[in-house]
Amino acid sequence: EAEVAQSPRYKITEKSQAVAFWCDPISGHATLYWYRQILGQGPELLVQFQDESVVDDSQLPKDRFSAERLKGVDSTLKIQPAELGDSAMYLCASSFKPGANVLTFGAGSRLTVL
Amino acid sequence: GNSVTQMEGPVTLSEEAFLTINCTYTATGYPSLFWYVQYPGEGLQLLLKATKADDKGSNKGFEATYRKETTSFHLEKGSVQVSDSAVYFCALSDAGGTSYGKLTFGQGTILTVHP
Repeated sequence: EAEVAQSPRYKITEKSQAVAFWCDPISGHATLYWYRQILGQGPELLVQFQDESVVDDSQLPKDRFSAERLKGVDSTLKIQPAELGDSAMYLCASSFKPGANVLTFGAGSRLTVL
Repeated sequence: GNSVTQMEGPVTLSEEAFLTINCTYTATGYPSLFWYVQYPGEGLQLLLKATKADDKGSNKGFEATYRKETTSFHLEKGSVQVSDSAVYFCALSDAGGTSYGKLTFGQGTILTVHP
C-alpha cells in the first residue's frame, strides 16, 4: 500500500537552531499538506500546496517557518530559529486533488525544542 | 470560520462495552465529515467519512451518521476491543474556496479499552 514518507521521525534541537522536515507524498498526488499537532490538540494546517504552488499558508508563521515543493513532488518544511513553542508533531498529508475528500497522512516528525 | 468540537476525554471502557464519542461542527455550506484514528506512534488514518446529510459512514464496526439538523457526527461502536485504544479525531472538509480539501480537526478524544 502506498505511503506518505516523512523524515526524520524524531528530532531534538535547542532553541534558536534550524530544523528541517522532509515529506514524500504518494506518487501522483498533486496536493500536499503540512499540519502541526501540538500535544493534546488536533492537527492544524500550516501550508497547502497544489503541485509546486502554495494555495494556503495563512497559518504559517512566516517569520520563522518556510515550506517549499520545488518540483511539485517532495516537500521540505523549515524552522529557523526554533522556539520552545514549536515542540509538536509535524504531519504531512497528500491527496490526489483538492477536495478529493481523502487525505493520506504520513507517520509524522516529532520535534522537541530544548 | 469552520470549527469542530469533540466530547472531552479521555474515555475509558471495558472490552465489549458500547462506545459513543460526540462530535459537533460549525461550517458554512455543506462540508464533508470524517473520523480519523491515531494509534500510538503513528500518523492519522481515515476511519470513516460521510459527504452529505443523512449519510452513514462505517468501517471496522464503527459508524457515524451525518446529521445536518443537529450539526453532529457522533462516532459509535457496539462492542469495543482492546485494539481500539487510540486517539479519535473528528474533522470536516471545506466545501469550497482556495483551501478546498483542507481539513479542520477537533481536539481529539483518547480512548482506552481495558480487558
